Amino acid sequence: GQSLEQPSEVTAVEGAIVQINCTYQTSGFYGLSWYQQHDGGAPTFLSYNALDGLEETGRFSSFLSRSDSYGYLLLQELQMKDSASYFCAVGLEAGKSTFGDGTTLTVKP
Amino acid sequence: DTGVSQDPRHKITKRGQNVTFRCDPISEHNRLYWYRQTLGQGPEFLTYFQNEAQLEKSRLLSDRFSAERPKGSFSTLEIQRTEQGDSAMYLCASSLVVTGQVKMTEAFFGQGTRLTVV
Repeated sequence: GQSLEQPSEVTAVEGAIVQINCTYQTSGFYGLSWYQQHDGGAPTFLSYNALDGLEETGRFSSFLSRSDSYGYLLLQELQMKDSASYFCAVGLEAGKSTFGDGTTLTVKP
Repeated sequence: DTGVSQDPRHKITKRGQNVTFRCDPISEHNRLYWYRQTLGQGPEFLTYFQNEAQLEKSRLLSDRFSAERPKGSFSTLEIQRTEQGDSAMYLCASSLVVTGQVKMTEAFFGQGTRLTVV
């Protein structure tokens, strides 16, 4: 089977940097994605790593180490609107994913 | 609005009734996925379509669940004889997968249909 582990909660202050880790055990790994979901909203795609290394998209960066079955999402210059749940998801084949249980990020003033 | 749309947004039904949800994906997307999400958990894969063909069904999808995508455009998810354990958010997502490119592509999610079985 597949399993992903990520912290359940993270708290940080506005303007800070926060890192959300994700470790996984899967077969047929194609890549690691990150999604953001606000309360009552739809998951929104943030980033995707197929190869080892860092991908940067604005204030968000995502890292993957396939040998360690590990990745993280880095959020910089935190804003109040970044308070949300963040899910890592392993792509098992094109488009189909297994999601972690999510990390609730609370940004405080 | 050219995003993924789902209807209805909310559904309350009595145990034992049948319900049907609809998903309209982004028009040029060939892949359509159904996920289920319960409070405090991530989306769980249920099934997906490549155009009109249903390629895979999760073991989570009991015989009471059926999904169709008759013309390769919109999709329906039907739950027969609903049970209280079916209460969840049902999410639809779509993506464009280019033949020969086996890689993750960005999946766009709809707002979901929240089902409450009483």
